[in-house]
Amino acid sequence: SQQGEEDPQALSIQEGENATMNCSYKTSINNLQWYRQNSGRGLVHLILIRSNEREKHSGRLRVTLDTSKKSSSLLITASRAADTASYFCATDLSSNTGKLIFGQGTTLQVKP
Amino acid sequence: SAVISQKPSRDICQRGTSLTIQCQVDSQVTMMFWYRQQPGQSLTLIATANQGSEATYESGFVIDKFPISRPNLTFSTLTVSNMSPEDSSIYLCSVALTGSYTFGSGTRLTVV
Repeated sequence: SQQGEEDPQALSIQEGENATMNCSYKTSINNLQWYRQNSGRGLVHLILIRSNEREKHSGRLRVTLDTSKKSSSLLITASRAADTASYFCATDLSSNTGKLIFGQGTTLQVKP
Repeated sequence: SAVISQKPSRDICQRGTSLTIQCQVDSQVTMMFWYRQQPGQSLTLIATANQGSEATYESGFVIDKFPISRPNLTFSTLTVSNMSPEDSSIYLCSVALTGSYTFGSGTRLTVV
């Protein structure tokens, strides 16, 4: 069964605006990751945040993790049309085994 | 991070036939993972492929339907057997190496 729930399921914004996606999970984790997928193609790894970290940045991406609430958020600032994609959170439950449990995903559309 | 070559990238198959998907990794890895992504859905883990032992299947997936081979530390195959239209999905392999997670580009399977 899916570990993560994501909201919103779909998000449509104008270019230049910020996009925030949320992910909740059920059990303790070793780390949480965010991925992007364009039009059903392969997954692109965006960012990994470990269970002992609270915030992480990578370029226009900002990820937060609240282990007490079992939730994470992905913020994309100054969005671009090229950011249009599906975004998934995924949790690695223990010791970086590589076995990931994915959330349902958020479909982001950035209008030019 | 590792580089994965996954083949074929797509295929259209007749129901009742089988398709074997291959993943070649440029590094030796202990575990490889196979995921399924049904149309419009998130990724679900099918099984973990271990070198030198039988694969470990997740709930809802069985070896007769999804036999897996792992002949060495850089290669694995997943076979989708006796296919039906419900097997139409994207199938992806994945590895984790020194904390870095990599996915193959995916195999888009359509069963007619």
